[in-house]
Amino acid sequence: GESVGLHLPTLSVQEGDNSIINCAYSNSASDYFIWYKQESGKGPQFIIDIRSNMDKRQGQRVTVLLNKTVKHLSLQIAATQPGDSAVYFCAEATGRRALTFGSGTRLQVQP
Amino acid sequence: GAVVSQHPSWVICKSGTSVKIECRSLDFQATTMFWYRQFPKQSLMLMATSNEGSKATYEQGVEKDKFLINHASLTLSTLTVTSAHPEDSSFYICSASGYTDTQYFGPGTRLTVL
Repeated sequence: GESVGLHLPTLSVQEGDNSIINCAYSNSASDYFIWYKQESGKGPQFIIDIRSNMDKRQGQRVTVLLNKTVKHLSLQIAATQPGDSAVYFCAEATGRRALTFGSGTRLQVQP
Repeated sequence: GAVVSQHPSWVICKSGTSVKIECRSLDFQATTMFWYRQFPKQSLMLMATSNEGSKATYEQGVEKDKFLINHASLTLSTLTVTSAHPEDSSFYICSASGYTDTQYFGPGTRLTVL
């Protein structure tokens, strides 16, 4: 997979607000999607996943929405906390193949 | 559960030397392991996919003779960067998947080649 980006888009929110991070994916054949959180100097941390036969999935404080028509994925974080500050990547895959990562969005939570 | 470790977490080496990075699945059997590379402020880029007991599949542009991958068991894969050069300095991250599609990532290894 490829993803290029020297400048990450940044989403700045106030503590306690809800955050929405968006991602456009490229492969219409992708059937598995994941959101990862990456803190500086660390590996990606699994947040939530969704398969193509679903359009919404909820976790603890997080919701992923999938719109296959426009190939769009979003991550909603409720009651955003300072510890949520990180770079968030969406990733797509077909079957058990390797993931293709998006370029990432930096979330900054202001106290 | 589903913990993946990497060793070392960081390494500094001289140009021309070889460096081995280990990736271990601690509490599950990893039938497939993936190696990614991440340059500063960029996303993860897949280098290769390895299945236990078989040769790794490398992505286009990744030199298989320079980045040697061995997946000898269901819990261990190694990446050896041979004859490392400064441009190989990067953050190397492995991931592992077992009998589901979910990939679990290791903490990464930061390689600095002087």
